[in-house]
Formats: sequence, C-alpha cells, structure tokens
Amino acid sequence: EPEVTQTPSHQVTQMGQEVILRCVPISNHLYFYWYRQILGQKVEFLVSFYNNEISEKSEIFDDQFSVERPDGSNFTLKIRSTKLEDSAMYFCASGTGDTGELFFGEGSRLTVL
Amino acid sequence: DAKTTQPPSMDCAEGRAANLPCNHSTISGNEYVYWYRQIHSQGPQYIIHGLKNNETNEMASLIITEDRKSSTLILPHATLRDTAVYYCIVRPLWGGYNKLIFGAGTRLAVHP
Repeated sequence: EPEVTQTPSHQVTQMGQEVILRCVPISNHLYFYWYRQILGQKVEFLVSFYNNEISEKSEIFDDQFSVERPDGSNFTLKIRSTKLEDSAMYFCASGTGDTGELFFGEGSRLTVL
Repeated sequence: DAKTTQPPSMDCAEGRAANLPCNHSTISGNEYVYWYRQIHSQGPQYIIHGLKNNETNEMASLIITEDRKSSTLILPHATLRDTAVYYCIVRPLWGGYNKLIFGAGTRLAVHP
C-alpha cells in the first residue's frame, strides 16, 4: 500500500540552526501539507501546497518557514533559524483532492536545544 | 478553530462496541464529517467520512443524524489497538485546498 514517508524520524539541532525536513508524498497525489504537533497539544496546520505554490498558510508559518517541491517527488519544509518553541513532531500529508482523505506520514520529531 | 465538540475521553472494554459522539451543530450544507485517529504519536489516520447517509467500511461505521448536527463513530468490536485519540472534523469535500482542522479529539482507552 502506498504511503507517505518522512525523513529524518528524529533530528536534534541547536537553536539558530537551519533544519530541512523531507517528505515523499504518494506519487499520484497533487495536494501536500505540513502539520506540526507540540508535545501534548493539538495537531496544527502549517501550510498547504498545490501546483508548485503555497495555497494556504497558517499564522504559525512565518518567514522562518518555507516549503519546496524541488524534484517532483520530494516535498520539504525548511526552518531557517530554529527556536526552542519549534520543538515538535512535524507531519507531512498528501491527498488527491477528490475524497478529502489525507494520508499522513509517521512524522519527524524535531528537538531544538 | 475546530467546528466540532467531542468528549475529552472515553473508556471501552475490549470486544465491545465503542460509540464516539461528535456535535457539529453549525455544519454547512456542503461540509462532510470526517473521522481520523492518532495512535500514540503516529501520524493521523483516516477512518471514514460521510455527508448525510450512514457509512460503513472495514474499520468503522458512521451514523449521522437526520439534521446533520451530530454524528457517532462506531467501532463494532474494539481491540486494544484501537486505543487512540479520535478526531471528528467537518470540511467541504471538494478541493485539496480545504485543510483539516484538528481539535482536541476524544481519547479512547480500550481495556481488557
């Protein structure tokens, strides 16, 4: 069964460092998303991406964040200068847009020290 | 903000049916009811969705009231592996632009 894959599963970084989280969505999907979940809190929407551009972003997704689909298969989330409060689980998701069903990856845990 | 209201937690005995309620009194005519679950810290997993008719798949059944203001997710024979946080979400069907907004969900504990 096709699945969304994310790397790394866990990354530890120092405050102020740049981090890139990678995702490989399901191959025939057209819509891509990043969500995050701070420990013990809700799953929060960050950004959606379609047709090589951002279709919507939340207030959380400020200038420190960017997304890219560099090669037609990977979908990346970059955090330019990490802060302590960026520590969270980051989930990538993809969907066809037909049924509204989103497929989520297993997440990348980011720890900022 | 989430447009649904769910109890924060529920218990269920293994092998019994788990009935998880959700209120969505402000649902619009073009909005569907979606259920997802999150086992421990894994990525959310789609369970089922529906508009106004009852729906069933291999995982669960979804019962939507006639006025569409509430629904119930039914896991017919709960197992320990069904212990998870269950999210009820309303959103339009069409268009991937329509993001999922997660609330706090219901934490279901299935016990032996």
